[in-house]
Amino acid sequence: QVQLQQSGPGLVKPSETLSLTCSVSGYAITSGYYWGWVRQSPGKGLELVGTIYHSGSTYYNPSLKSRVTMSVDTSKNQFSLNLSSVTAADTAVYYCVRAGGSMIAVAPDVWGQGTTVTVSS
Amino acid sequence: EIVMTQSPATLSVSPGDRATLSCRASQNVINKLAWYQQKPGQAPRLLIYGASTRATDIPARFSGSGSGTDFTLTISSLQSDDFAVYYCQQYNNWPTFGQGTKVDIK
Repeated sequence: QVQLQQSGPGLVKPSETLSLTCSVSGYAITSGYYWGWVRQSPGKGLELVGTIYHSGSTYYNPSLKSRVTMSVDTSKNQFSLNLSSVTAADTAVYYCVRAGGSMIAVAPDVWGQGTTVTVSS
Repeated sequence: EIVMTQSPATLSVSPGDRATLSCRASQNVINKLAWYQQKPGQAPRLLIYGASTRATDIPARFSGSGSGTDFTLTISSLQSDDFAVYYCQQYNNWPTFGQGTKVDIK
């Protein structure tokens, strides 16, 4: 059974960088699938942040592209999200997901437990 | 960006009754449409993909239909475990989600 376990701080100061990591168990990232991050806020609802393949290929939400970096560590079977220059608008619950079989045409079928990230000084 | 519009915002249903939820896309998404269920404090759970294919371990009382711009999720006989918020999502283009339909107890 594939499971995703998220880690990272729940509080980030404005203008700093949000960093989250997702550890995958029950499935080798290198076996396939795209992986990604979805966030959910009261104001914007559910929003795909981006996707990544084990090769390192990425696709980011155009509205966040200038601030997002995703990476993968195949030796640890995990992937990560960095979102720079955060503002209060980035306050949301962030989920890591098994995104699907393509970079963009994805319907996530496995979700992490979610991390509530608050941007505040 | 493709805008997904769900209706109604809230649906009040009695246990055992049928629930019909609607989702409309602002442009043709073919059959690249998924449905999710979310309960308070939990992550969304994939119910349906490809507009009508049930995901793994999803009960047969959940069914999806539609193509193009108009889609429907039907729950044939509501169980107590089904009261939740339901989201549709298109993935024919950059994925976008609807704002959700809350199914509550009548």
